[in-house]
Amino acid sequence: GAVVSQHPSWVICKSGTSVKIECRSLDFQATTMFWYRQFPKQSLMLMATSNEGSKATYEQGVEKDKFLINHASLTLSTLTVTSAHPEDSSFYICSARDLGLAGGRSYEQYFGPGTRLTVT
Amino acid sequence: AQSVAQPEDQVNVAEGNPLTVKCTYSVSGNPYLFWYVQYPNRGLQFLLKYITGDNLVKGSYGFEAEFNKSQTSFHLKKPSALVSDSALYFCAVRDDTGGFKTIFGAGTRLFVKA
Repeated sequence: GAVVSQHPSWVICKSGTSVKIECRSLDFQATTMFWYRQFPKQSLMLMATSNEGSKATYEQGVEKDKFLINHASLTLSTLTVTSAHPEDSSFYICSARDLGLAGGRSYEQYFGPGTRLTVT
Repeated sequence: AQSVAQPEDQVNVAEGNPLTVKCTYSVSGNPYLFWYVQYPNRGLQFLLKYITGDNLVKGSYGFEAEFNKSQTSFHLKKPSALVSDSALYFCAVRDDTGGFKTIFGAGTRLFVKA
């Protein structure tokens, strides 16, 4: 089955530093990847849609200069939290859309295991 | 605009009893509907989806869901609950107008007591 990995799985950083989170599709190509944020005991909030080779599309209220997204290849998207603050502490989950059409997989998006960010 | 409602924050059920987790949706076009499960500190696991066809969809781990267009609902069901089913369940919707933005419900926490 389609697998999406995230690295790191958890990270602790000091306030004011930047943190990069990687999202990789391991066995399929993904022209589109999505970044979600999940606060404790809450739902997933879509932050941005990342398209390979073009600028990301950010949801309303998400600061694009703070959450930098790069989708440099069909298998890799990165989210960089710049000048992190404690309120950025959250669980970040990426997902990827399968480019292929076989077996109806193009309807599905596959989720990574998430990255827990703690800013001290 | 798309939206998803999961009216229950929590559902409690005894092991062996049937369970239902409710979901209603609103979309502009035809809906693509999904159920995911999340265990603590883990990502989402796909359970099942409705795209088209039979209104009763069968998924992983014995779960099923029924698409009801008139009631705009997509309730998740299982005939006999297991303690291991205890987790957080999310309903999600996307429409068929060409975008791929998936909107998630608030989630329903399922507790299955032994």
